[in-house]
Amino acid sequence: EDQVTQSPEALRLQEGESSSLNCSYTVSGLRGLFWYRQDPGKGPEFLFTLYSAGEEKEKERLKATLTKKESFLHITAPKPEDSATYLCAVRSTGANSKLTFGKGITLSVRP
Amino acid sequence: EAGVTQFPSHSVIEKGQTVTLRCDPISGHDNLYWYRRVMGKEIKFLLHFVKESKQDESGMPNNRFLAERTGGTYSTLKVQPAELEDSGVYFCASSRQTGTGNSPLHFGNGTRLTVT
Repeated sequence: EDQVTQSPEALRLQEGESSSLNCSYTVSGLRGLFWYRQDPGKGPEFLFTLYSAGEEKEKERLKATLTKKESFLHITAPKPEDSATYLCAVRSTGANSKLTFGKGITLSVRP
Repeated sequence: EAGVTQFPSHSVIEKGQTVTLRCDPISGHDNLYWYRRVMGKEIKFLLHFVKESKQDESGMPNNRFLAERTGGTYSTLKVQPAELEDSGVYFCASSRQTGTGNSPLHFGNGTRLTVT
């Protein structure tokens, strides 16, 4: 059974203080790892897809990386508007295409 | 393009009543998914439609839940009769059909269901 564990559960940063969010996963075969951002009262918003170990993707202050066991979401010089819950999900190889999610990491960035 | 739309945004019902949730996916998206987040837990898969056909319903908790997607457009998820443990946020998501089967899911804002 696919499993996703995210850590820490919550993270409080000062504006400009860079950090990383961790996503550890277990799948029989990885078809894709997805990062989403979720704001209160909203649905998850797609950020990145990573397909293979060593791959990196960037968007503004965010950079996602992937190894065979985990993924990191690096946040460089965060701003208060980066405050949100960040979700990691995996899709395994096989016939179905469902995503398995972690519980998410709640990030708060203080001005 | 318009996003995934869910209705209602909130629903409060009593135990034993029936509730129907609706989802309108992004136009042209053949894949439609239902997920649920119970308080304190992760978002969990319920089922997957490809057009009007159920591709995978392994996540449906029991036979009190019935999902339909007539005509391959919008979908409904009915809970009958509702129980207290059905409370949570129900998300709908859609995606394009691609050769790799690896397109990202686009989510609606969810329906918050409270059963009292």
